[in-house]
Amino acid sequence: QVQLQESGPGLVKPSETLSLTCTVSGYSISSGYYWGWIRQPPGKGLEWIANIYHNGDTYYNPSLKSRVTISLDTSKNQLSLQLSSVTVADTAVYYCARGGYSPTYYMDVWGKGTTVTVSS
Amino acid sequence: DIQMTQSPSTLSASVGDRVTITCRASQSISTWLAWYQQKPGKAPKLLIYKASSLERGVPSRFSGSGSGTEFTLTISSLQPDDFATYYCQQYESYLTFGQGTKVEIK
Repeated sequence: QVQLQESGPGLVKPSETLSLTCTVSGYSISSGYYWGWIRQPPGKGLEWIANIYHNGDTYYNPSLKSRVTISLDTSKNQLSLQLSSVTVADTAVYYCARGGYSPTYYMDVWGKGTTVTVSS
Repeated sequence: DIQMTQSPSTLSASVGDRVTITCRASQSISTWLAWYQQKPGKAPKLLIYKASSLERGVPSRFSGSGSGTEFTLTISSLQPDDFATYYCQQYESYLTFGQGTKVEIK
């Protein structure tokens, strides 16, 4: 059974870089699939951030691309997200999820999410 | 960018009702559409993919239809566990979600 667990600081200061990690269990991320990050501001809808393939190919939301880096650590079976120059608008629950075999796909397994607040 | 518009934003219904949610795409997305259910404080759960394929383990009262720009999610007989917010998501070009439809108790 594939499980995903997000982790990272719950509070980030404006203009700093948000860094999150997603640990995958029950499946080796080097075996396949795209893996991604999605966020949800309080009381609002879902926004896709980025996907990464097991070979390291990346796919970014154009509206966030200039500030986002997604990466894999296959030795730890983790994917990571960095979002630079954060503002209060980046306050959200951040989810990691499993996609498919193309960069655009539905997400069939999700982590529980981690809340990040941007505040001084 | 492909925009996804759901209607209605809120739907009041009773247990046993047949419920239909509509999702419209700003351009054709063939059948590259998924539906998710989300309950408060929880992650979204995949219900339907490729417009009409039921995800394993999802009750058969959920069904999806449509192609091109217009899609529907139907719950044939609403159950107490179905009160939640539902999102459509296109994956023809990048990934974008609808704004959500909250199904509440009438």
